[in-house]
Amino acid sequence: KNEVEQSPQNLTAQEGEFITINCSYSVGISALHWLQQHPGGGIVSLFMLSSGKKKHGRLIATINIQEKHSSLHITASHPRDSAVYICAVRSAGSNYKLTFGKGTLLTVNP
Amino acid sequence: DADVTQTPRNRITKTGKRIMLECSQTKGHDRMYWYRQDPGLGLRLIYYSFDVKDINKGEISDGYSVSRQAQAKFSLSLESAIPNQTALYFCATSDRDRGGTNYGYTFGSGTRLTVV
Repeated sequence: KNEVEQSPQNLTAQEGEFITINCSYSVGISALHWLQQHPGGGIVSLFMLSSGKKKHGRLIATINIQEKHSSLHITASHPRDSAVYICAVRSAGSNYKLTFGKGTLLTVNP
Repeated sequence: DADVTQTPRNRITKTGKRIMLECSQTKGHDRMYWYRQDPGLGLRLIYYSFDVKDINKGEISDGYSVSRQAQAKFSLSLESAIPNQTALYFCATSDRDRGGTNYGYTFGSGTRLTVV
């Protein structure tokens, strides 16, 4: 079993829909990252969080430490949101190690 | 200019050839990392460096070597490339922990390497 599991693996939505991507992890962590990877490869860091909730524009990330679960929400989705979204956790007690999920491929159709 | 620059962006090389992938950063971060991404797998750590004199193997270092020429530069070498090293390679940086505060990571745009 992978330490970081994302669901769904693939997600197709219509423009304007509310999107939720989930991440569950099995280890103690000090931080969780949400990353975005567009076709063509580059990875952009969206959020880093260790508790609660963060919001940036139409993106919202939440984390429940007790349940070892995080969600990434996209409100009013747009075709430009189409990308792979990756969850990564930094292990508690490690000052460098990130463990990555396999990613969720989001396609938003106009 | 990008905060983390990788060169080349794409490379095709033959089996047995030596190849170097380069990474430079303007973030001023102490820590640099090389990751490999394969289809259907999460990113995996090849090597990491906390400063110029501190280089460490990651989970998949066999067949790779690195050089930290300066705080801003971290190169990855494949001494004798083989086809199963065909992958997308990412360089990343992060700042050192400061009083327990977690800092984020900055990734380069990736190098797509094909070994034929």
